[in-house]
Amino acid sequence: GEDVEQSLFLSVREGDSSVINCTYTDSSSTYLYWYKQEPGAGLQLLTYIFSNMDMKQDQRLTVLLNKKDKHLSLRIADTQTGDSAIYFCAEEGGATNKLIFGTGTLLAVQP
Amino acid sequence: EPEVTQTPSHQVTQMGQEVILRCVPISNHLYFYWYRQILGQKVEFLVSFYNNEISEKSEIFDDQFSVERPDGSNFTLKIRSTKLEDSAMYFCASNEGEQYFGPGTRLTVT
Repeated sequence: GEDVEQSLFLSVREGDSSVINCTYTDSSSTYLYWYKQEPGAGLQLLTYIFSNMDMKQDQRLTVLLNKKDKHLSLRIADTQTGDSAIYFCAEEGGATNKLIFGTGTLLAVQP
Repeated sequence: EPEVTQTPSHQVTQMGQEVILRCVPISNHLYFYWYRQILGQKVEFLVSFYNNEISEKSEIFDDQFSVERPDGSNFTLKIRSTKLEDSAMYFCASNEGEQYFGPGTRLTVT
């Protein structure tokens, strides 16, 4: 079945790097996404990666994709207190490109 | 930058009442979706819509739910007779390559 797993919580100090991990199940996914959700807010698309790529860098964000292990990670360099939020990974699945979301990782950045 | 918009931002309704949640997808997108997020839980797919018809739906999307594209810009989700367990954030999304989400409507059923 379709299932996307993430660790629930990550705590880092301001200025450190954060790495949020995700495992997915659908090897036919075309896109894999990272969304950020601040308290009471909507889903902000942070970045995405095509399934034929291994890595994508976008300013402070680096996405790594290991297709063999179906493992996706999001690295945030120089983490700031404003990065505190829940981070969801999501894979595209099915014929209609619906998204299957992970459980979300709460990132807490300590000053 | 184009964005998906949703109204209202918060809707409070009594159990058994009908609600309509509204969305305006990004104008050149062709694929539309509704998702929901119960408080503290993950985001769940409800339904996808393409070419004026439902293309896929989840088991959550039962007969109480319906979607419509009444004109060229709006995309609505109707819940016919709301239950307490329908209380959640409802997100609309549209897709033409990448999937973009609206800010959500918080539905509270009392």
